[in-house]
Amino acid sequence: QKEVEQNSGPLSVPEGAIASLNCTYSDRGSQSFFWYRQYSGKSPELIMFIYSNGDKEDGRFTAQLNKASQYVSLLIRDSQPSDSATYLCAVNTSGNQFYFGTGTSLTVIP
Amino acid sequence: KAGVTQTPRYLIKTRGQQVTLSCSPISGHRSVSWYQQTPGQGLQFLFEYFSETQRNKGNFPGRFSGRQFSNSRSEMNVSTLELGDSALYLCASSSNRGAGNTIYFGEGSWLTVV
Repeated sequence: QKEVEQNSGPLSVPEGAIASLNCTYSDRGSQSFFWYRQYSGKSPELIMFIYSNGDKEDGRFTAQLNKASQYVSLLIRDSQPSDSATYLCAVNTSGNQFYFGTGTSLTVIP
Repeated sequence: KAGVTQTPRYLIKTRGQQVTLSCSPISGHRSVSWYQQTPGQGLQFLFEYFSETQRNKGNFPGRFSGRQFSNSRSEMNVSTLELGDSALYLCASSSNRGAGNTIYFGEGSWLTVV
């Protein structure tokens, strides 16, 4: 079982819609969770991090964490073509090591 | 505050050669990690250094090695290059302060082995 699992997609949504990206993790002792965005040919850039159960909002982005279900999600509201990228979920495990999912490719259709 | 700096950005090497990549972390960050990214395998963890000591290591052959200097700058070396080593090599730094530890990536070094 992989430490972090994501649906690789591709996920396509129309412009203005909500994009929902999901991630599960295996280490129940994990403490912090991150979403990175990676444009083609570029390095990953941090979008958001979340430590506590519940929702965390930052502009059009909302991260959701459910530790009981070992589940993290990222919602992108009012999706824009510029949001088209690969989204990587990352988890800092109880051993203080980062694990990344394989990423979900998102395409926002104008 | 300057970000993570990696050099060189692009390089082409021949099979059998060796390569050294360099990384300067964000000022004040003492932890440096290296990742290999390929289209088929995604981001794969190579190793992490903290205060000049390798703290974690991924599942890569011994041809891949690294080190960290007293100023936190890090280098990674790949010897006897193989075609399959062609990848984007990413360096990431973090302050390594508790559960809020966040890693930030450099722009990467694109290695092509021919």
